[in-house]
Amino acid sequence: GQNIDQPTEMTATEGAIVQINCTYQTSGFNGLFWYQQHAGEAPTFLSYNVLDGLEEKGRFSSFLSRSKGYSYLLLKELQMKDSASYLCAVKDSNYQLIWGAGTKLIIKP
Amino acid sequence: IAGITQAPTSQILAAGRRMTLRCTQDMRHNAMYWYRQDLGLGLRLIHYSNTAGTTGKGEVPDGYSVSRANTDDFPLTLASAVPSQTSVYFCASSDSGEAGHTGELFFGEGSRLTVL
Repeated sequence: GQNIDQPTEMTATEGAIVQINCTYQTSGFNGLFWYQQHAGEAPTFLSYNVLDGLEEKGRFSSFLSRSKGYSYLLLKELQMKDSASYLCAVKDSNYQLIWGAGTKLIIKP
Repeated sequence: IAGITQAPTSQILAAGRRMTLRCTQDMRHNAMYWYRQDLGLGLRLIHYSNTAGTTGKGEVPDGYSVSRANTDDFPLTLASAVPSQTSVYFCASSDSGEAGHTGELFFGEGSRLTVL
């Protein structure tokens, strides 16, 4: 079966750095997405990785290792507004998205 | 800039009633999707449409139907609602899911449905 694993919840301190991991087992791979979802709101796109390596976008970076079935989202200089759920999703061989359950990130002052 | 509009935002429904959730996009995206999101579970695909005139079943299609008469609209119908269909429903669209396109999803604001 297809599976995406992420930690259920993480806590970090304002101004710090946090890494959210995602491991996947899917039938084929055509890219990995990270989305941010604030409570009561819709998911919004953060990043897309299809090749191995690190993609940096401001305070957020996303890393992919296809051979290990592994990705992480790195958030630097954490702000209170970064408190949200972070969803990992993989596009399989049929170009369908398989979603993880999401990681709830709690930022403390 | 509208993007994707869903209606209603929230609805309480008696079991056995018929309900249609509306979804309209103005980005001229080919692909549209309906997901449900439940606490502790990932987004689960109900139905999708890769282009106007075609639809397909997702992971959890039972009890739901969709139509795609044109590019912009993708309504989701619950023929006879049951309490297990209590959830938050998200409509989404993308330019294309296939090679050469990122296929980033754009989501509507969600419809919170409670079936009693």
